[in-house]
Amino acid sequence: DQQVKQNSPSLSVQEGRISILNCDYTNSMFDYFLWYKKYPAEGPTFLISISSIKDKNEDGRFTVFLNKSAKHLSLHIVPSQPGDSAVYFCAASDNSGSARQLTFGSGTQLTVLP
Amino acid sequence: NAGVTQTPKFRVLKTGQSMTLLCAQDMNHEYMYWYRQDPGMGLRLIHYSVGEGTTAKGEVPDGYNVSRLKKQNFLLGLESAAPSQTSVYFCASRRTGAYGYTFGSGTRLTVV
Repeated sequence: DQQVKQNSPSLSVQEGRISILNCDYTNSMFDYFLWYKKYPAEGPTFLISISSIKDKNEDGRFTVFLNKSAKHLSLHIVPSQPGDSAVYFCAASDNSGSARQLTFGSGTQLTVLP
Repeated sequence: NAGVTQTPKFRVLKTGQSMTLLCAQDMNHEYMYWYRQDPGMGLRLIHYSVGEGTTAKGEVPDGYNVSRLKKQNFLLGLESAAPSQTSVYFCASRRTGAYGYTFGSGTRLTVV
């Protein structure tokens, strides 16, 4: 039973337009959410995060929105650039133990077309 | 800083062979994790460690063992490899108080 779901395996957008990547979760113990970006043959790298006490966090072209009542978060990239083409993983951290394990979604392959 | 270093980067094993994947971090992070990535399934936690000398099971621990004898190193062992263990393995570390992990570049393992 996947606790973090990314229902869109792939997304294509035109350069300069907005990319919106979605993520849903089921575990109410999750209190911190992160987005990771992954290029082929590399490890995931941290992109942006949000605490459950906030509903929005912005960093340059990247904004993450959190809707706790719907257990939904989204990543907006504006404007999208060809270098943004990568797999994006949504991850959630729960506060039930000291290890702060991250639970990952299955990823969304974003392709930004020039 | 090197960050998190994984060795080897690639390996092909025959069914039943054993091997050890090494993860080394130079950031003095307390926490370390091993994940596997499979198509359509994201990253799944195999084992983790909250400090030197301690290890614990994650979501998919069967067929793997781990050791953390030194703070900077986290070893993942496969005693008798199976084709189902064909995957890309990622090691990660986290400092106390942080939420995010720093990942290594991965080990691509094929079991034939």
